[in-house]
Order: sequence, then structure tokens, then C-alpha cells
Amino acid sequence: AQTVTQSQPEMSVQEAETVTLSCTYDTSESDYYLFWYKQPPSRQMILVIRQEAYKQQNATENRFSVNFQKAAKSFSLKISDSQLGDAAMYFCAYRGVRDDKIIFGKGTRLHILP
Amino acid sequence: DTGVSQDPRHKITKRGQNVTFRCDPISEHNRLYWYRQTLGQGPEFLTYFQNEAQLEKSRLLSDRFSAERPKGSFSTLEIQRTEQGDSAMYLCASSLGGFETQYFGPGTRLLVL
Repeated sequence: AQTVTQSQPEMSVQEAETVTLSCTYDTSESDYYLFWYKQPPSRQMILVIRQEAYKQQNATENRFSVNFQKAAKSFSLKISDSQLGDAAMYFCAYRGVRDDKIIFGKGTRLHILP
Repeated sequence: DTGVSQDPRHKITKRGQNVTFRCDPISEHNRLYWYRQTLGQGPEFLTYFQNEAQLEKSRLLSDRFSAERPKGSFSTLEIQRTEQGDSAMYLCASSLGGFETQYFGPGTRLLVL
């Protein structure tokens, strides 16, 4: 069975600094999708970034980028120029290509220090 | 595009009562998903629909849980004879197709006393 592990329950970063959230996963499949979702306090979850496993190039979305290491089964999220609005719970997630359900990690709560 | 909506946003009930939640997906999205999120955990998949057909159910979905999507639009999730362990956030998501991004609603927070 596929699993997603986020080893950092909480992290803090100074406003305008860069922070990296870690994620590892386990799967026997060769093709799949990986995601980072953001869940702000009392607000709905939104997709931050998505990576297809067959693509070697790391995905980027403005200040958000990933470091996808397929052999190591690692998928970290880098947030550059952190802003107060980035404070949220961040979930790393996996989905197989033949599967519709998403498997989530336990999340990392990110605090932004002004 | 008004996003995925869920009703109610909060529900407090006594153990043994039945509760029903509603999810309205983004219009034209044919896939609809239900997840459950307990405190300190990530969301866990419960079930999903393609149009009105329920295609997969998790083992988490006990006999007390039933989900429907009668006309392929909104969906309901009913929990019968609620237990304290059912206390959680119930999230609904929808997507345009099987490999498309899932958009989440705000969730229904259930507290069973």
C-alpha cells in the first residue's frame, strides 16, 4: 500500500525567508502524481503544486517549487519569500495513475514570524 | 464557478442520532469525492462517484455510512447511529475527470457528544 510521510509536524520561518517542507512516500508504481495542498486555518484546502512522476523537471508555481527525487521517493516543497498568508497546514499527497483517491500525509503546520 | 460548497458547516449531535451532510460540487464536475479528516491527521478517502455511480468505497465506510448522488449533481453522506469516533471534519471534493485536480469544499465539522 502507498504511504506518505511528513516528518515535520510544525515549522516556523521568518517573513521573507525561504523554508523547505519535507515529504517522503512509498509506492511500487512507476507512474503517479504528487501534490502539495495548503489548508489555512478554518478555510478550505487548495492545491499549491502538482508533479507528474514521469516528468523529470521540478514543478514551480510562482514562489512555490518542489524538489522531486524519484529514486529517493522524496518530494519537498520550497517556499521562497515567505508571506504571512502562507501560514497554514501543508499536506503532501500521492495519487496513482490507476487510482482516483488521494493519499495524504499527516501535514506540517507552518508558522510565519513577522 | 462558485466552488464546492458543503452544508452544514458545523453539526453537533448526540450519540445514536442520525446525521446527513450535503455537498454541491462545481457545476459540470462529474467526479465527487468524500474524505474524512480527524484532528492531527490528513484527510482519508471514504468514497467517490462518477456521475451518479458510486465507484469505490473505503473500508473506513462502515455499514452505518451511506452516500448517494442521485442525479449526478449534489451528494449526501448519511451517518446512522452516530458514535463518538465519528467526530471529524468531512470533506467533499470534485473534479472534471479522473485525472484532473480535485477541488475541496470547506468541510462539515461533526461533533458527537
